[in-house]
Amino acid sequence: KAGVTQTPRYLIKTRGQQVTLSCSPISGHRSVSWYQQTPGQGLQFLFEYFSETQRNKGNFPGRFSGRQFSNSRSEMNVSTLELGDSALYLCASSVNRVGKSDTQYFGPGTRLTVL
Amino acid sequence: GQQLNQSPQSMFIQEGEDVSMNCTSSSIFNTWLWYKQEPGEGPVLLIALYKAGELTSNGRLTAQFGITRKDSFLNISASIPSDVGIYFCAGLGNTGKLIFGQGTTLQVKP
Repeated sequence: KAGVTQTPRYLIKTRGQQVTLSCSPISGHRSVSWYQQTPGQGLQFLFEYFSETQRNKGNFPGRFSGRQFSNSRSEMNVSTLELGDSALYLCASSVNRVGKSDTQYFGPGTRLTVL
Repeated sequence: GQQLNQSPQSMFIQEGEDVSMNCTSSSIFNTWLWYKQEPGEGPVLLIALYKAGELTSNGRLTAQFGITRKDSFLNISASIPSDVGIYFCAGLGNTGKLIFGQGTTLQVKP
């Protein structure tokens, strides 16, 4: 079974631009979560999508948004980029079986650099 | 909000030594996960724990879900150079959000 895939792997943008990152979950996984990883803040939860609906949200400004498609693939968008948005953006997917605790499997990440 | 305290922050050990790291929280978690991350890659799941008191092994790795549901530890026996990386604990509670520890950086001297 293929793992979680993320595209692109690397991205360089300038301040003020916007960016869209893509994540394809493991086949059969219905939940997709996004995380931001920086040396200073560690791994921080952005949001989770399930059945095309945002189910959970972290403490990030509205410039960070996402969506999920009917095939469970997800995209996240960051508008009006700031220097501090430079980070590794990780996507994780899980099966999300009813009544069962979930295990999240991560993709390789997208390294975003904002100049 | 929920926070995890992971220790130690870093370890530099000799090949063949055993390693122990742990995570504690003031909050209760329903699931504890341990991940390893290597440079430029996403975290890779090592061990998942679903019940208080559960002790699970994966090769040379052993992890336990604390009885109080507020802590977990990971042991690595007979370390080898490829064990190098950053190890993260993560807890999943009733909020549905996965909370990560700060990570333990492990370096192994051959």
